[in-house]
Amino acid sequence: DQQVKQNSPSLSVQEGRISILNCDYTNSMFDYFLWYKKYPAEGPTFLISISSIKDKNEDGRFTVFLNKSAKHLSLHIVPSQPGDSAVYFCAAKKKAGNTPLVFGKGTRLSVIA
Amino acid sequence: GAVVSQHPSWVICKSGTSVKIECRSLDFQATTMFWYRQFPKQSLMLMATSNEGSKATYEQGVEKDKFLINHASLTLSTLTVTSAHPEDSSFYICSAPPGQGHSPLHFGNGTRLTVT
Repeated sequence: DQQVKQNSPSLSVQEGRISILNCDYTNSMFDYFLWYKKYPAEGPTFLISISSIKDKNEDGRFTVFLNKSAKHLSLHIVPSQPGDSAVYFCAAKKKAGNTPLVFGKGTRLSVIA
Repeated sequence: GAVVSQHPSWVICKSGTSVKIECRSLDFQATTMFWYRQFPKQSLMLMATSNEGSKATYEQGVEKDKFLINHASLTLSTLTVTSAHPEDSSFYICSAPPGQGHSPLHFGNGTRLTVT
């Protein structure tokens, strides 16, 4: 069963506008959430994370929002740039320390100039 | 920042042969490394957890005799795909946590394996 879900396989956004990527999870034991960006034939690159004790974390153009009651998080990119075009993976982990990440299926973002 | 190096980046082998993939942490020590596999347009699926000095822990459905993992040192883990078959063709990625607590995993650049 898919514990981390990204229900939109693709998203297309105009340059300069906001990109909103969504992610839902089912396991209430997850307490740390991350977003990774990935290009074909490359490993994922860490973007931003959020702990379950927070509801928002911001880093430059990237903001992650967490709604624990809804088991939902989202990544906002504003303003979107053509270089942001990639596949974005939502990931979650259960506890601190050397525990693995559980990934969603990814959302392909295309930013159109 | 923390860097994970993976080699080779791509490999083509004949069915029945074995292939070894190396994963190195370049500027930190990793007692644990994770091996993932990604099929086209799918998620990254955890295959196994590599533990320095002890046996690897495999996820359900992953054959330990087929995917041999050796965590030889605090900076090196290897994954050997034995007797490879075309269905083993995939993108294999290793990762390591650079520290304790909730540190983001750092990933290698992956290995594209094609079995003919």
